[in-house]
Formats: sequence, C-alpha cells, structure tokens
Amino acid sequence: ILNVEQSPQSLHVQEGDSTNFTCSFPSSNFYALHWYRWETAKSPEALFVMTLNGDEKKKGRISATLNTKEGYSYLYIKGSQPEDSATYLCAFRVLETDKLIFGTGTRLQVFP
Amino acid sequence: DGGITQSPKYLFRKEGQNVTLSCEQNLNHDAMYWYRQDPGQGLRLIYYSQIVNDFQKGDIAEGYSVSREKKESFPLTVTSAQKNPTAFYLCASSIDLRGTLGYTFGSGTRLTVV
Repeated sequence: ILNVEQSPQSLHVQEGDSTNFTCSFPSSNFYALHWYRWETAKSPEALFVMTLNGDEKKKGRISATLNTKEGYSYLYIKGSQPEDSATYLCAFRVLETDKLIFGTGTRLQVFP
Repeated sequence: DGGITQSPKYLFRKEGQNVTLSCEQNLNHDAMYWYRQDPGQGLRLIYYSQIVNDFQKGDIAEGYSVSREKKESFPLTVTSAQKNPTAFYLCASSIDLRGTLGYTFGSGTRLTVV
C-alpha cells in the first residue's frame, strides 16, 4: 500500500517566524509530488508540482525542495504571516498509476 | 473567472436514499476527479475521468456511481449501497490525467446522513 506521511500534524507559530514541514513518500517509481494550500472554508489551491530530484520551487515566501532518492519533500515558509494559516497537503504519484495519493496534511496556525 | 463549482454546499440524506452531488468546471480541463475526506485521513479517490463517456474507479468506488456525458460536468451519485456516506466530498479537475500543472479543486459538499 502506497502511503504519504506528513509531519508535523499541526504547528503553531508567531507572526514573523519561519517554519517548515515534511512530506515523506515511497521513493521507487516516483512520478510527481504536489503541494496544496487549503484555507478553511476555501478550495485547496495548488502551490507546486515537482517532478525532478533536486527540484526547488518558490512562490513568494513559500518554497519547496524535493529529494526523490530518499523520498521526501520540504515546504518552507519564510516570515510566516496570519494569512499563511491553512492546512498544507502533499500528494504524490507513481509511474504506473493515474492517481494522486494524498497525505493527511500539516495544519499551520500563525498568531499575530 | 474559470473554476469548479460544486453544489450543494451542504446536503442531508435519509438512509436508503440516493443523492447526486454536482460538479461543473469551465476550465476546459479533460480530467476530473472525486475525492472523499474523512477526519484524520487524507483525501481518498472515488472515481476519475479522463475524457467524456469514460471513467475509472478509484480506491473507494463501492457505493458510488458517476457519469461524464459532457466535458464540463462530472456528477457523483452516492447510492444507498454506500455504508458510511457521511463525509466531505471534493471535486477536482486537471488539464490532463498527468496533472502536471496541478489540480483545481471545488469548494466541496458536506453530506450528512440523518
């Protein structure tokens, strides 16, 4: 059974703190790794789709790295703001399937 | 604005009834998906469709049915055979099945069996 693990489950930080979370996935037959941000009462929003080992992507204060050989991705948020409060989901896909497998998410709360 | 519209936002169903959840997209995406979310679990795939008139079972298809008669629409029917239908349902779409630009999600339907 293919499984995605995200840690920590939840995180509380002060405004201005930088933070990071981890997504772990099986390293064999890797195809793609997705990150989504899901704010309460809104739709999940795609942040990054990463496919190559060593990929680094950035969107404003948010960046992500990918290590397909060891099966992990990190998401970093620099200088967290209250509007960054959301659940961050990662999902991965293996070569032989058409399906994304989602983790349970990291719930981030940023306090002013 | 392009996006995905799910309706209704909240749905209450009596036991033994079938209900249909609507999902419409105006993004011209080929692929569409239905996911279910339960507390403490990741999103789980119910059904997906790559093109009109074709769809595939996901990991938890039992008790559900779908149709894809139009590119824009991918309704999900929760049948009385679904033993535990109370959940949050998300519809998504992507340009193609590879999803290389990511998925676009709707805002979800919360179904409660009463």
